[in-house]
Amino acid sequence: AQKVTQAQTEISVVEKEDVTLDCVYETRDTTYYLFWYKQPPSGELVFLIRRNSFDEQNEISGRYSWNFQKSTSSFNFTITASQVVDSAVYFCALSLYGNKLVFGAGTILRVKS
Amino acid sequence: GAGVSQSPSNKVTEKGKDVELRCDPISGHTALYWYRQRLGQGLEFLIYFQGNSAPDKSGLPSDRFSAERTGESVSTLTIQRTQQEDSAVYLCASPRRRAGSPSEAFFGQGTRLTVV
Repeated sequence: AQKVTQAQTEISVVEKEDVTLDCVYETRDTTYYLFWYKQPPSGELVFLIRRNSFDEQNEISGRYSWNFQKSTSSFNFTITASQVVDSAVYFCALSLYGNKLVFGAGTILRVKS
Repeated sequence: GAGVSQSPSNKVTEKGKDVELRCDPISGHTALYWYRQRLGQGLEFLIYFQGNSAPDKSGLPSDRFSAERTGESVSTLTIQRTQQEDSAVYLCASPRRRAGSPSEAFFGQGTRLTVV
């Protein structure tokens, strides 16, 4: 069965600091998909990124970057120069082909000004 | 519609009553998920509909929970004889159609259920 572990329950940083959110996954399948979602205080989940298991290239989108390492089964998310608006709960998720999304427990990120 | 719509947005019910939650997915999206999120917790998978295939009901916590979907449109999640432990936000999501692979899921705002 699939499993996603986000070991960091809560992280607090000061604005402009860089912060990395960890995600470790477990699956026996060789084809799978990884996701990150953001849940701001408003509650609605916002999709951030989707990555398939055959694409290990790191990705950068503005202040966001993702580091996918199959060797350690990790898909970590880094926010550079954090801002107060980044404060939210961030979820990592795993899906097999045509199957349900399995979410981690989430990491609460608090960015203080 | 433009996004996933859920109703009601809030529901307060007495213990023992039945409740029905509704989800209108994005038009044309063949798959649909229901998740439950208790206060301060992660997302707990409940049920997954994919086209005409039999739904994956492996996440339903008890036989008090059931869900239906009419074709590729509206889905209803029914909780019978509600208990206080059922209090949570119930989220519906519909993934965008993407040939051969799971795509990002678009989530609704959720229904906040409070059982008193």
